[in-house]
Amino acid sequence: AQSVTQPDIHITVSEGASLELRCNYSYGATPYLFWYVQSPGQGLQLLLKYFSGDTLVQGIKGFEAEFKRSQSSFNLRKPSVHWSDAAEYFCAVGAVTGRRALTFGSGTRLQVQP
Amino acid sequence: DGGITQSPKYLFRKEGQNVTLSCEQNLNHDAMYWYRQDPGQGLRLIYYSQIVNDFQKGDIAEGYSVSREKKESFPLTVTSAQKNPTAFYLCASSDRDRANNEQFFGPGTRLTVL
Repeated sequence: AQSVTQPDIHITVSEGASLELRCNYSYGATPYLFWYVQSPGQGLQLLLKYFSGDTLVQGIKGFEAEFKRSQSSFNLRKPSVHWSDAAEYFCAVGAVTGRRALTFGSGTRLQVQP
Repeated sequence: DGGITQSPKYLFRKEGQNVTLSCEQNLNHDAMYWYRQDPGQGLRLIYYSQIVNDFQKGDIAEGYSVSREKKESFPLTVTSAQKNPTAFYLCASSDRDRANNEQFFGPGTRLTVL
């Protein structure tokens, strides 16, 4: 079965600083990978996704993520954080075969300082 | 606009009562999912349905029940057998025919047991 680890529970960055949120997955083959964002009390919004091809994927709101097979990682990055980026971020993995539900990491809460 | 609606947004229940959470989608998606979210634990899969009149247990199905009588609807019943039902519940859907597992989420229902 697949699993996802987000090692950072809480991260604080200053507005305008760069951001990297870590995600490591466990899966027997190349999985489908996702990053979602959740504002307090809201549902999840898809930021970006990786299925195959170019390992650097671009998403909405200026986010990007890089798939590194050798490290089983799919880290999320943004060059300059805005105060509106404060939220919780979830990495998720989907299996290529079998159960099609996603497996989520425990999330990273991002706080942005002015 | 296409999307997923969940109702109610907030729900209060007395111990020993069953409650039903509504989830409706007009995206014409075949697959629907229910997740439970607790602080620091990410999202955990309760039940999922790949097609009408069929559903499977997820990782934490005990104390919950579902039905899938219509393509657009996937209600979740939290029964009195669920020992700790206070949580945020999220419904999602996906297009079963797509090669990937991208899921679209509703706004969630917060259930509190009094």
